[in-house]
Amino acid sequence: SQQGEEDPQALSIQEGENATMNCSYKTSINNLQWYRQNSGRGLVHLILIRSNEREKHSGRLRVTLDTSKKSSSLLITASRAADTASYFCATDALGAGNKLTFGGGTRVLVKP
Amino acid sequence: DVKVTQSSRYLVKRTGEKVFLECVQDMDHENMFWYRQDPGLGLRLIYFSYDVKMKEKGDIPEGYSVSREKKERFSLILESASTNQTSMYLCASSQTDGTERYEQYFGPGTRLTVT
Repeated sequence: SQQGEEDPQALSIQEGENATMNCSYKTSINNLQWYRQNSGRGLVHLILIRSNEREKHSGRLRVTLDTSKKSSSLLITASRAADTASYFCATDALGAGNKLTFGGGTRVLVKP
Repeated sequence: DVKVTQSSRYLVKRTGEKVFLECVQDMDHENMFWYRQDPGLGLRLIYFSYDVKMKEKGDIPEGYSVSREKKERFSLILESASTNQTSMYLCASSQTDGTERYEQYFGPGTRLTVT
C-alpha cells in the first residue's frame, strides 16, 4: 500500500508562477523526502525533512511538514520550463528500516 | 557525485527467459534497493539489501530474486520472465550512519519489455 499520497495528480502552470503540491501519509515517520523524475529517467533527490523539522528551504524549493496532520507540501517558486517533471514524496517510516515508501506522484507541466 | 549505474537502459526478453538486471554504485553505500515503476502504481519496492549477502523482501518480491556478492553490486533476477513483469526497473542506494537516515540515489532505470 502507498504510504504517501500526492495531491494534485497533475498540475499545469505558466512559467514564473508558483507550484504547490501536497503529500499525505499514514504512519509515524523518521523523515519525509521529495524526489523529481524527468520523463523516463531515474529519480533525483530534492530535499529531506526530518520529523522534528517544520520547514526547509533549498533554492527555489520550500518544504513544510505537519506531523500532527501527517502531511507535507512542496512549493516551487518562480517555476521554469525545466521544472516540468513528476514529483514524488517518500516516507521513511518508523520501524521500517531504511526503506522508503513512495506516493503516486504529481505531474507538473510548466508552460513557457 | 554519487553514481548509480544500471546495466541496460532498454531490454526486450521473451516469456520464460531468465533475466539479470545489474546495478552498481560507486559510493560505498551499505543499502541498495530495487523498485519497479508502473503507471498509476508509483514506485514499489521489490527487494533491498543492508549489506553484502543480506537481502530483505520488499512489497512485491514474488517472481524475483536478488544477489549481493559485493558491496557495490546488487543484481535483480527474474527467474522466468512473464509479461506482467514488463515495467521500468529502478535501482537505488543509500548510506547508513548509525540511526541517521539519508536520501536514496537512483540509477537511470531499465525499461524491460517481456514479449
